[in-house]
Amino acid sequence: EAGVVQSPRYKIIEKKQPVAFWCNPISGHNTLYWYLQNLGQGPELLIRYENEEAVDDSQLPKDRFSAERLKGVDSTLKIQPAELGDSAVYLCASREGTGELFFGEGSRLTVL
Amino acid sequence: EDQVTQSPEALRLQEGESSSLNCSYTVSGLRGLFWYRQDPGKGPEFLFTLYSAGEEKEKERLKATLTKKESFLHITAPKPEDSATYLCAVQASSGTYKYIFGTGTRLKVLA
Repeated sequence: EAGVVQSPRYKIIEKKQPVAFWCNPISGHNTLYWYLQNLGQGPELLIRYENEEAVDDSQLPKDRFSAERLKGVDSTLKIQPAELGDSAVYLCASREGTGELFFGEGSRLTVL
Repeated sequence: EDQVTQSPEALRLQEGESSSLNCSYTVSGLRGLFWYRQDPGKGPEFLFTLYSAGEEKEKERLKATLTKKESFLHITAPKPEDSATYLCAVQASSGTYKYIFGTGTRLKVLA
């Protein structure tokens, strides 16, 4: 069974440029999470989806970050414009039921 | 406020030298406590879920235990391939399905 798939794995952009990350969760997993992980830190929640509905986006900086999950499957996280402080790893995770999270490999963003 | 604290931040062990990692938590009702392993450049990989005090889970050289205030990840006779960052997360029973992660313990096992 395929795991959570994220792309791109690495992205280097200039500040003020836009960037988008894509996530395909495990088949059948209705809940999808986007996390941000800084070096030496644990993952921090950005947004959680139940099917296509964003049910927890309180930590998402809505002035520059946006996310969507059309048809309740794939999801895209966008940053526009990117700032130096956005350099981090963006992790996508999915879950079935109430149990553990399954993470993708992450998308590492470097903003110059 | 829900909080997870992991210690130590980093740990160096000789191959075969057993030790324990700690995860202390403060949460308004525990739905579950999760242990993950994270290798450099990879996403966290699920290891164990613990639901109630007294529960224990084992996998190869790893054993996780849970009390009402903390969890331990015991590593018996570690090997260099056990080197990784170990993350602990708790899920509160407040109904939001929010997972709160600690900052992890970076384990290095020397041959």
